Amino acid sequence: QVQLVQSGAEVKKPGASVKVSCKASGYTFTSYGISWVRQAPGQGLEWMGWISAYNGNTNYAQKLQGRVTMTTDTSTSTAYMELRSLRSDDTAVYYCARVLLTQPTFDYWGQGTLVTVSS
Amino acid sequence: DIVMTQTPLSLSVTPGQPASISCKSSQSLLHSDGKTYLYWYLQKPGQSPQLLIYEVSSRFSGVPDRFSGSGSGTDFTLKISRVEAEDVGVYYCMQGIHLPFTFGPGTKVDIK
Repeated sequence: QVQLVQSGAEVKKPGASVKVSCKASGYTFTSYGISWVRQAPGQGLEWMGWISAYNGNTNYAQKLQGRVTMTTDTSTSTAYMELRSLRSDDTAVYYCARVLLTQPTFDYWGQGTLVTVSS
Repeated sequence: DIVMTQTPLSLSVTPGQPASISCKSSQSLLHSDGKTYLYWYLQKPGQSPQLLIYEVSSRFSGVPDRFSGSGSGTDFTLKISRVEAEDVGVYYCMQGIHLPFTFGPGTKVDIK
């Protein structure tokens, strides 16, 4: 069965960086992409961007351009999301989701990773 | 960015009764390929979001047939024919035609 297992919770200081991992199993990793969505405490869902595990192509939300990098390691079927220059409003649960290469259907989601930014 | 709005923002439903959520987009979600990229997700309490409906009206694998989606262009509806206790949570619509993909604010559904 398809599974996306994310890394554990992180606490970071303002200005630091965080790298969240998302390990996929149960399907051919390079036949799909991975999208990242975050949810601030008590808030709705915000799309951050996505990466094709097939060719590494990426699209990022403009508001995060320059601070976010999404990568994949096809040898371990793992996707990564790095966010730099963290601010307090980056405090959120970060989700990875499998996405079809041909359309933005997020069909399976990871369990989420809480990132807390606090001094 | 495309703005997604949902009404109502909260809904309290008696088990066995129907429920309906409206979602409107600020631009048409009809793509030149003929598909309309409107999705519905449910986030149950304490859980990750889960896909219910894709491309307006197609139910994802394992989604009960009491859930149905309809609409076109900029106006869409999610209907639950008979609400069950396990349907509680926040329902989000999402557009997938223009970057950045955007979600509606969510509709919280609980049981009376």
